[in-house]
Amino acid sequence: AQKVTQAQTEISVVEKEDVTLDCVYETRDTTYYLFWYKQPPSGELVFLIRRNSFDEQNEISGRYSWNFQKSTSSFNFTITASQVVDSAVYFCALSEGGADGLTFGKGTHLIIQP
Amino acid sequence: EAGVAQSPRYKIIEKRQSVAFWCNPISGHATLYWYQQILGQGPKLLIQFQNNGVVDDSQLPKDRFSAERLKGVDSTLKIQPAKLEDSAVYLCASSLGGNTEAFFGQGTRLTVV
Repeated sequence: AQKVTQAQTEISVVEKEDVTLDCVYETRDTTYYLFWYKQPPSGELVFLIRRNSFDEQNEISGRYSWNFQKSTSSFNFTITASQVVDSAVYFCALSEGGADGLTFGKGTHLIIQP
Repeated sequence: EAGVAQSPRYKIIEKRQSVAFWCNPISGHATLYWYQQILGQGPKLLIQFQNNGVVDDSQLPKDRFSAERLKGVDSTLKIQPAKLEDSAVYLCASSLGGNTEAFFGQGTRLTVV
């Protein structure tokens, strides 16, 4: 069965610092998909990124970047020059090739202090 | 483009009562999901529909939970009878399928007292 582990329960940094959120996954499938979602205090989950298991290229989108390493089964998320608006709970999730449903980690609560 | 709509936003019921939640997915999205998010945890998939057929309900407590998706569009999730441990946020999501990204509604916060 698939599993997603986010070992960092809460991270607190001062604005403008860089911060990395860790995600480790387990799956027996060779075809799978990894996702990051943001959940601000309003509660709605906001999609950030999707990667498939055959594409290990790192991705950068503005201040956000993602590092996918199959060798360590990790899909880490870095925010550069953090801002107060980045404060939220961030979830890493996995779906396997035969099923769309997501398996989520427990989330990392990110607090950006001004 | 309108997002996933859910109602009600909040619901408080006594244990052993019944409750129903409604979801309207994004237009054109064939796949619809219901997730349960207990405070401090990540969402857990309860049931997945493809059009009006059930794809995965392996984690749905079928003795008390039921869900349907009439005409492959709107969906309702029902709990009868509710237990204290059912207190959670119930999230509806939809997608185009094929492991594409799911879009979530704002959720219904259920409190069972």
